[in-house]
Amino acid sequence: DAGVIQSPRHEVTEMGQEVTLRCKPISGHDYLFWYRQTMMRGLELLIYFNNNVPIDDSGMPEDRFSAKMPNASFSTLKIQPSEPRDSAVYFCASSLTGGNPSTDTQYFGPGTRLTVL
Amino acid sequence: SQKIEQNSEALNIQEGKTATLTCNYTNYSPAYLQWYRQDPGRGPVFLLLIRENEKEKRKERLKVTFDTTLKQSLFHITASQPADSATYLCALARSGYSTLTFGKGTMLLVSP
Repeated sequence: DAGVIQSPRHEVTEMGQEVTLRCKPISGHDYLFWYRQTMMRGLELLIYFNNNVPIDDSGMPEDRFSAKMPNASFSTLKIQPSEPRDSAVYFCASSLTGGNPSTDTQYFGPGTRLTVL
Repeated sequence: SQKIEQNSEALNIQEGKTATLTCNYTNYSPAYLQWYRQDPGRGPVFLLLIRENEKEKRKERLKVTFDTTLKQSLFHITASQPADSATYLCALARSGYSTLTFGKGTMLLVSP
């Protein structure tokens, strides 16, 4: 398996533009997580899905952020409109299960570095 | 409030020495704890897991301890090598929850 795939790897956009980040989880994994990482706040969970259903989006900072998982092999995180404070590295991760120490190891993608000017 | 603390200052050690990284937490009752390694420009990679009823876990040159009384986990790398230089993050999982909460990580620099 190629692991978790994210695109694009880098995104530079101007304030007010829409940004869409993409993720392909590891095949067979039931859980998908979106994180944001900054120096100040570290790695923060934004939202996670179980079997394509959003379970907890309490980490999504504002209504400008939305996430979807239309099928088991694809998820998007959208920011509309983007702001400079959204600049960060966004990671997608997947795991076989959740809450089970034997099988909930999270596998992270390479991340998308977003810069909003 | 719940808090996970890792030393924000980088740890500099010489090759061959043992590196010890600390993860402290407050207002948590973790069911288990995981340690991840993150290299620059890459996502975190899982290293080790330790359950609340385990005191110590080992994997090759890595050792993790978990003291639920002190609310602390220690992560050791013995015979450290320059290739061990990275940021190490601890992550806590609570019983009944499907998510992990990560510390901010500690950067380890091993010099030849």
